[in-house]
Amino acid sequence: QKEVEQNSGPLSVPEGAIASLNCTYSDRGSQSFFWYRQYSGKSPELIMFIYSNGDKEDGRFTAQLNKASQYVSLLIRDSQPSDSATYLCAVKTGAGSYQLTFGKGTKLSVIP
Amino acid sequence: EAQVTQNPRYLITVTGKKLTVTCSQNMNHEYMSWYRQDPGLGLRQIYYSMNVEVTDKGDVPEGYKVSRKEKRNFPLILESPSPNQTSLYFCASSSPAGDTEPETQYFGPGTRLLVL
Repeated sequence: QKEVEQNSGPLSVPEGAIASLNCTYSDRGSQSFFWYRQYSGKSPELIMFIYSNGDKEDGRFTAQLNKASQYVSLLIRDSQPSDSATYLCAVKTGAGSYQLTFGKGTKLSVIP
Repeated sequence: EAQVTQNPRYLITVTGKKLTVTCSQNMNHEYMSWYRQDPGLGLRQIYYSMNVEVTDKGDVPEGYKVSRKEKRNFPLILESPSPNQTSLYFCASSSPAGDTEPETQYFGPGTRLLVL
């Protein structure tokens, strides 16, 4: 059974701080890793994807992947109240498949 | 405008009465998926499709059927709904990253289903 684990939170950070969201996964064959943001009552929205070990930056967001440790993280710099949402981590295993396993999400609150 | 549409958005039904939730996308994406989202359990994939006539099971396929006869449509069928299928359902379409293109995924607005 493939598992994706996230701290449920809530994680509270002050405005302007760095928010750090973590995710671990059990399947070593996992190849693609995704972060989604979901506002309350809304659909998930893809915000970052990463395939290779290391860091990937997009604006205020940085995804970090360490396949040896089976760990992927999302950093949000200069956090804003509008970043308050639930963040979902998802993992896709293997080529030739689009089976996605999600973590249960981490709720982030950015305090003004 | 890139769009994934689902219908109906809300549905109340009774145990055993067959229903279909439609999903349509206008982005010519090859990949489409269905998910259910439940409190405490998160988002779980039901079925996915990598192309027309190509479908495969996700993590929780029991009690559901899908078909992909056209690229743009991916309906979810509950042939005999039960109360444990009460949930929020999302359809999504995706295009994997290529050499010059980023990964794109779009979710529909969701269908809230209550099975009595």
